[in-house]
Amino acid sequence: QVQLQESGPGLVKPSQTLSLTCTVSGGSISSGDYYWNWIRQHPGKGLEWIGYFHNSGSTYTPSLKTRVTISLLTSKNQVSLKLSSVTAADTAVYYCARGIYDSSGFYQDYWGQGTLVTVST
Amino acid sequence: QSVLTQPPSVSGAPGQRVTISCTGSSSNIGAGYDVHWYQQLPGTAPKLLIFGNTNRPSGVPDRFSGSKSGTSASLAISGLQAEDEADYYCQSYDSSLSHVFGTGTKVTVL
Repeated sequence: QVQLQESGPGLVKPSQTLSLTCTVSGGSISSGDYYWNWIRQHPGKGLEWIGYFHNSGSTYTPSLKTRVTISLLTSKNQVSLKLSSVTAADTAVYYCARGIYDSSGFYQDYWGQGTLVTVST
Repeated sequence: QSVLTQPPSVSGAPGQRVTISCTGSSSNIGAGYDVHWYQQLPGTAPKLLIFGNTNRPSGVPDRFSGSKSGTSASLAISGLQAEDEADYYCQSYDSSLSHVFGTGTKVTVL
């Protein structure tokens, strides 16, 4: 059974870089079969797809692409998210999720429980 | 605001059938991109409910069904149960915005 667990600072100062990791168990992230996503949810709001990492390359949502980097730490079986120059608008619950790209399209089948990051002084 | 529009809320009595629409455009659903649905119970992470417009992952009750036509998709819940009270999100691909989620719908069981 695949499990994902997000971790990182719950409080980040404005203009700094938000850094989160997602530890994956029950499967290797380096197999190349899956797309490793980050998705966020502002308090009381809907879901926003941030981007993914795959062996074929990374893809990010246009509104964040200048500030975001998603990468793999294969030795630790972790997925990393870095979001630079954060503001209060980046306060959200951040989820990591495993993605599948097949004949049924692109979707996320396993999700972490999410971690709340607050941007504040 | 998302390019995939859902009604903010729907409600129904136990046992009833409710449907949630996901309205897009010619740059996403209407372009032929698949639609997926997620259920988010209060205080929990989203869970995949329907993938590829109509397919249910293992373990999802057949009370949940999906469909797609033109620039819209729908999620139907038949035999509504108290445990179905949650937020529901559609997801698809937009040629300008990449992967996008719908605005979300809160289902209330009366």
